[in-house]
Amino acid sequence: DTGVSQDPRHKITKRGQNVTFRCDPISEHNRLYWYRQTLGQGPEFLTYFQNEAQLEKSRLLSDRFSAERPKGSFSTLEIQRTEQGDSAMYLCASSPGGSQGGRNQPQHFGDGTRLSIL
Amino acid sequence: GESVGLHLPTLSVQEGDNSIINCAYSNSASDYFIWYKQESGKGPQFIIDIRSNMDKRQGQRVTVLLNKTVKHLSLQIAATQPGDSAVYFCAEVNTNAGKSTFGDGTTLTVKP
Repeated sequence: DTGVSQDPRHKITKRGQNVTFRCDPISEHNRLYWYRQTLGQGPEFLTYFQNEAQLEKSRLLSDRFSAERPKGSFSTLEIQRTEQGDSAMYLCASSPGGSQGGRNQPQHFGDGTRLSIL
Repeated sequence: GESVGLHLPTLSVQEGDNSIINCAYSNSASDYFIWYKQESGKGPQFIIDIRSNMDKRQGQRVTVLLNKTVKHLSLQIAATQPGDSAVYFCAEVNTNAGKSTFGDGTTLTVKP
C-alpha cells in the first residue's frame, strides 16, 4: 500500500535560501492539501488542489510561498527567501474528493517534511 | 443541565481504563468531523469520522460522539493500551469549502 509520500523528510537551510518540497499523493486521489504544523499545535491549512486546479489559499500563504500540481498528480511547495518563522513541519494530505459521493472522505497524511532555518 | 466535557491539553490514564478526549469546534457550517492520532515524527493518522447527520459512530475500540447543539465532539477509547499514547486532534470540515480545520491537540499518555 503506497500512502502519501513526502520528500525530503528533513531540510536544513540558511535563512534567505529557497526550498522546494515534493508530495506524491495516494494514486487517483483528486484532492491534495498542504498544511503547516509547528510544535505543540495542530496542522494549519495552507492550500489545496482539486486535480491540477488550486482552489483555495490561506492567508498564511504569503507571496514567498507557491504550490503547484501541474499534472494533477504530485505537488510541489516552494518557499522563497526563507525566514526563521518558516521553520515547521510541512504536511501533505490527499483525499478522493471530486464527486458528491466522495466529498466526505478523510484526508490521508504523509509524514511531512521538517524544515529548519538556521 | 447538560454538561460539556472540557478540552484538556494532556490526559493520563492507566492501561486498561477508558479514555475520553473532548473537542469544541467553532463553525456551525461544518458538516463532517474527523479524529486523528499523531505519533512523534509522523503525520496525523485517521482514526474515525462522523457526518453531521449522526450523533454517534463506533469503530474498533473507539466511539465518536457529536453534539451539534453545543458544537462538541468527543472520542472515547475503550481499554486504552500503551500503543494508544499519542497526540489526538479533532478536525472539522465544511465539505463545500474542502479544507479541514484542526482543533488543539490532546496528548494522551497511557501508564502501564
